[in-house]
Amino acid sequence: EVQLLESGGGLDQPGGSRRLSCVASGFSLSNYAMTWVRQAPGKGLQWVSAISGNGDHTYYRDSVKGRFTISRDNSNNTVYLQMNSLRAEDTAVYYCAKSVVTRFHFDDWGLGTLVIVSS
Amino acid sequence: DIVMTQSPDSLAVSPGERATINCRSSQSVENTSNNKNYLAWYQAKPGQPPKLLIYWASTRESGVPDRFSGSGSGTDFTLTISSLQAEDVAIYYCHQYFITPQTFGQGTKVEIK
Repeated sequence: EVQLLESGGGLDQPGGSRRLSCVASGFSLSNYAMTWVRQAPGKGLQWVSAISGNGDHTYYRDSVKGRFTISRDNSNNTVYLQMNSLRAEDTAVYYCAKSVVTRFHFDDWGLGTLVIVSS
Repeated sequence: DIVMTQSPDSLAVSPGERATINCRSSQSVENTSNNKNYLAWYQAKPGQPPKLLIYWASTRESGVPDRFSGSGSGTDFTLTISSLQAEDVAIYYCHQYFITPQTFGQGTKVEIK
């Protein structure tokens, strides 16, 4: 059974940093691209960042470029999202999702982890 | 960015009746090299992650009841629930994965009348 388990959420002040993790099980992580999608309270889904299966290619939405870094450790079945210079508008539930390649639909999602940025 | 606009924002349908959700993209999400529309539909229930229902605009994900169907091409797409069941109460999102950044519709809330 495919499982994606996010962790690392919490409360941060503006300007702070946090690293999210997504641990994968039930499939070979290296064969899949991984994406972080977020959902602000009461809002819709927003694509944040994606990484190819071997980690060679990464993609970001403009609002997080230069602040967030996506990475992966396939040997430990984990994908990361390093978030720096956090802003209030980064407050959201962050989901990791898997797809065959980066330009593909998401066939499995994790349960999400909540990040709150507030002073 | 491609803007995905869903309509309506919400709808209430009697059990057993048809529910139709529309999704329009601000530019085509069809890849003319493979004739595929890079459009998916997800169902999201409170406290649960989104669940893939439809991909390539009209291909039903394995295990999804056949009352769910998708259609459309280019910029206009539709998700149809042919006979609404109580367990279909959820928010439905369309998603284009053709152009980065990938974008989602704002969601359509489906309720039982």
